[in-house]
Amino acid sequence: ETGVTQSPTHLIKTRGQQVTLRCSSQSGHNTVSWYQQALGQGPQFIFQYYREEENGRGNFPPRFSGLQFPNYSSELNVNALELDDSALYLCASSRLAGGGADTQYFGPGTRLTVL
Amino acid sequence: SQQGEEDPQALSIQEGENATMNCSYKTSINNLQWYRQNSGRGLVHLILIRSNEREKHSGRLRVTLDTSKKSSSLLITASRAADTASYFCATHRMNRDDKIIFGKGTRLHILP
Repeated sequence: ETGVTQSPTHLIKTRGQQVTLRCSSQSGHNTVSWYQQALGQGPQFIFQYYREEENGRGNFPPRFSGLQFPNYSSELNVNALELDDSALYLCASSRLAGGGADTQYFGPGTRLTVL
Repeated sequence: SQQGEEDPQALSIQEGENATMNCSYKTSINNLQWYRQNSGRGLVHLILIRSNEREKHSGRLRVTLDTSKKSSSLLITASRAADTASYFCATHRMNRDDKIIFGKGTRLHILP
């Protein structure tokens, strides 16, 4: 167990709706990264938050947005859901701003299905 | 886009045998990491190797890195049924924003 938790575990939404996914980072970690993993693919980087500020973003449209709170927990918001947004959403926490330079600890993921 | 490409895409071996997975990448890196994922759940970090390192060991795992060939390998010795999972390499690139880029993974199946 990594100490990183995500909620909910599973979620079903319809096209056009909005969704919020939540992540609690491991104690002592100040950086949270979010990934989207489609079936049979590797995780794709969405964005990273360090001390409540966005610290890098992948090739995702603006309808993917996020927040990080003072306790370093984080939310991923997706507006105007599309069928292709169906995926496993993973968050990972780490200790330094350079999340890639330090080990990232992953949560169990949220499985989002868009109908 | 994905930086790393694992090879093979799928691998089935008998329990007790060694499993070798390879990863190739395109640009210079700070470090390369290997992760395991069971049944579409969260990823478990296995090992991190920095660009100035050539080999690292952790238990039954051995990772090599060849920066001149932009490739890495993960060797699992004396495989067990519990090793059945997907394995991903992930690279942290030099002089870029702080993110790691995953490959598509190798699906390893250990046969009893």
